[in-house]
Amino acid sequence: SQKIEQNSEALNIQEGKTATLTCNYTNYSPAYLQWYRQDPGRGPVFLLLIRENEKEKRKERLKVTFDTTLKQSLFHITASQPADSATYLCALEHGSSNTGKLIFGQGTTLQVKP
Amino acid sequence: NAGVMQNPRHLVRRRGQEARLRCSPMKGHSHVYWYRQLPEEGLKFMVYLQKENIIDESGMPKERFSAEFPKEGPSILRIQQVVRGDSAAYFCASSPPGTGSTGELFFGEGSRLTVL
Repeated sequence: SQKIEQNSEALNIQEGKTATLTCNYTNYSPAYLQWYRQDPGRGPVFLLLIRENEKEKRKERLKVTFDTTLKQSLFHITASQPADSATYLCALEHGSSNTGKLIFGQGTTLQVKP
Repeated sequence: NAGVMQNPRHLVRRRGQEARLRCSPMKGHSHVYWYRQLPEEGLKFMVYLQKENIIDESGMPKERFSAEFPKEGPSILRIQQVVRGDSAAYFCASSPPGTGSTGELFFGEGSRLTVL
């Protein structure tokens, strides 16, 4: 069956450390994978997109990797801050139709302690 | 430039009533998507619309749910004869025409439906 999985357990780290979140998928062939941030009671906010032919993408303190062999994406936040505390969602679209029909993981909640 | 606007933000209905959720996409965006987020679950795709057309409704329940995006005015997600299981956050997202290889969606803040 098709699945997209994120670690459901909350991730607690100390301010200044690097947070690493994992997204694994099975039986999908995504042309790209996206990461969103969602704060309580708010809508998701787009962070980064990485294509199947890209190994790594960076934006300020964020870094995403995409391994189509392992069917896994890693999301890193370096020099983490309490303001980074939120739920992070990975999402993919099966194939390359670009219809916006994204399949989301359940999200991983990150708590950065001062 | 205003973002995706959804209203109402909170809606309470009794079982059997109708719920209407509205979404105005970002200026210049012609693609609208509705997603549902049940408590303790991830976002689930419901429907993808362009002006006056339903492009993909594969995630919509077969009964009681309908969506439209008229030529003028906001997109509407309508739930008839609501049941307690419809209680959820309903998110609208939009994207510009010819999104091409970007795929990024812009989400609203959601409408939280509670069915008593």
